[in-house]
Amino acid sequence: DTAVSQTPKYLVTQMGNDKSIKCEQNLGHDTMYWYKQDSKKFLKIMFSYNNKELIINETVPNRFSPKSPDKAHLNLHINSLELGDSAVYFCASSLGWVTEAFFGQGTRLTVV
Amino acid sequence: GIQVEQSPPDLILQEGANSTLRCNFSDSVNNLQWFHQNPWGQLINLFYIPSGTKQNGRLSATTVATERYSLLYISSSQTTDSGVYFCAVKYSGAGSYQLTFGKGTKLSVIP
Repeated sequence: DTAVSQTPKYLVTQMGNDKSIKCEQNLGHDTMYWYKQDSKKFLKIMFSYNNKELIINETVPNRFSPKSPDKAHLNLHINSLELGDSAVYFCASSLGWVTEAFFGQGTRLTVV
Repeated sequence: GIQVEQSPPDLILQEGANSTLRCNFSDSVNNLQWFHQNPWGQLINLFYIPSGTKQNGRLSATTVATERYSLLYISSSQTTDSGVYFCAVKYSGAGSYQLTFGKGTKLSVIP
């Protein structure tokens, strides 16, 4: 009965490949996020998504794209993976923009 | 954008000791959360505390929004408290859609 779940937990892939990370929440939330945690543990927002309104952090390369089939899911697609994309990616959700956010367990992406 | 500063960056405690972690932020907020990232990488919610004081077992937190800081108190620390503690805030002004994280305080509790 995990509240926010991500798959896969670990992902190792070669440069140039395209990959997806899935996120699902069963909290009834309407707002979802993707964060990237770098090697220094710094957490930075990539995307915020609410009721089909997508807010994109301007520093995110357009090789990254979120896709939301419904309110409970927000998947992350990454094209043409680069070594610098190696990081831990966290999905999160909340009810509206202001309430408490809950995070998934993270996906450790390694690009070789 | 809003700035979030956490101190100290690193803290080593003997088991049983008490500690206070601080989070300063540069603007008005309508959301402030404390998280614990355990050694397995999970981000665990500790407190949702945009203002006031809350307690949960050995942990408590206080946010003084008018003075733009929050404190996390850990009493009688245990080895399982080790990990990184993050403060995250949401700016209350227009155009803010996400939590902004501080760089964290890395806590090591030794037996």
